[in-house]
Amino acid sequence: AQTVTQSQPEMSVQEAETVTLSCTYDTSESNYYLFWYKQPPSRQMILVIRQEAYKQQNATENRFSVNFQKAAKSFSLKISDSQLGDTAMYFCAFVDGGATNKLIFGTGTLLAVQP
Amino acid sequence: DGGITQSPKYLFRKEGQNVTLSCEQNLNHDAMYWYRQDPGQGLRLIYYSQIVNDFQKGDIAEGYSVSREKKESFPLTVTSAQKNPTAFYLCASNDWGDTEAFFGQGTRLTVV
Repeated sequence: AQTVTQSQPEMSVQEAETVTLSCTYDTSESNYYLFWYKQPPSRQMILVIRQEAYKQQNATENRFSVNFQKAAKSFSLKISDSQLGDTAMYFCAFVDGGATNKLIFGTGTLLAVQP
Repeated sequence: DGGITQSPKYLFRKEGQNVTLSCEQNLNHDAMYWYRQDPGQGLRLIYYSQIVNDFQKGDIAEGYSVSREKKESFPLTVTSAQKNPTAFYLCASNDWGDTEAFFGQGTRLTVV
């Protein structure tokens, strides 16, 4: 079965510093996609960044970047220059590229950015 | 504007009643999903549908039912068999695999 694991229930970081959120996944698929979603207090889910498994280059979106280690099935999110608005729940998500197209999420990491 | 709409935002249910949560999308997405979110927990998949008139159980389908009669609509019924239905429910849609999922704003269901 495909699973997504986030081992850090809560994290805290000072404003302007860098923080890394961890995610591991398990799948037998070779073609799949990985995502990080942000859920602020409004509870609206927002896509932060995505990574295609067939791409070796790590995805980057402004202050957000990932460290994708396919062999280790690891997909961590790095937030640079943390801002107060980054305070949110962050979810790692996986969808296979095959027939099932099932989108599954980890349990989330609650990130608090301290002033 | 394209998007995904859930209604109502808040819903109260008496024990023993069935209630239906609405989810509509105008993004022309094939796949739609229902998730349940409990306080401090992640999103657990209830049901998903990849095409009209077809849907699959997720990890916690017991006590729930869905239908997919139209591409744009994927309503979720919380039946009286669901023993602990109080939760936040999120609906999402996407195209196959490589596109981001779009989410509704959620429905907060409370059993009174």
